[in-house]
Amino acid sequence: NAGVTQTPKFQVLKTGQSMTLQCAQDMNHNSMYWYRQDPGMGLRLIYYSASEGTTDKGEVPNGYNVSRLNKREFSLRLESAAPSQTSVYFCASSGYSNQPQHFGDGTRLSIL
Amino acid sequence: AQSVTQPDIHITVSEGASLELRCNYSYGATPYLFWYVQSPGQGLQLLLKYFSGDTLVQGIKGFEAEFKRSQSSFNLRKPSVHWSDAAEYFCAVGLTGTASKLTFGTGTRLQVTL
Repeated sequence: NAGVTQTPKFQVLKTGQSMTLQCAQDMNHNSMYWYRQDPGMGLRLIYYSASEGTTDKGEVPNGYNVSRLNKREFSLRLESAAPSQTSVYFCASSGYSNQPQHFGDGTRLSIL
Repeated sequence: AQSVTQPDIHITVSEGASLELRCNYSYGATPYLFWYVQSPGQGLQLLLKYFSGDTLVQGIKGFEAEFKRSQSSFNLRKPSVHWSDAAEYFCAVGLTGTASKLTFGTGTRLQVTL
């Protein structure tokens, strides 16, 4: 009963490198989300996908791209990493629009 | 746009004492409201949710929360705290009709002393 699985769990990048964070859910959920968590700022929505084939910007989309590969998978890409993108990234999914979101364990990303 | 305020950054309580974590929201209509808990190095786990109906909602691990429209609040309570409750707690609000776009508070870190 995996729920939401994120890979990798930890990653260190150099400024300017690219990176794709992977997320997969096995709950047959329609909607998926990417958040970043920074100290003292709670979670902020980067991008979300309400259903397969659709993506929309959240609160802090700059510097990121996403792909909803299929119903199960939603990836987040950093094309040219910057130190300001050092953060913990969480993927989440939910069934229908009135259902709570389920979170993965996060990816801890450091950019030097 | 909706917003969420958790005024307490850090709270310390003794094991066995009661707990109340505050959450205030700003939104024109009745929102969807959630409390999540995050243990160190882990993701967020849903404690409870309010969509409509009874304003006192029960959650997991003995937690409850009360929606008070007049005060725009959704405070989390527990009658007797256990040491394992030490964690960070987040309140979140979603737009009516969809829980998709959640706005989170900045969190309250709970420390439990023995």
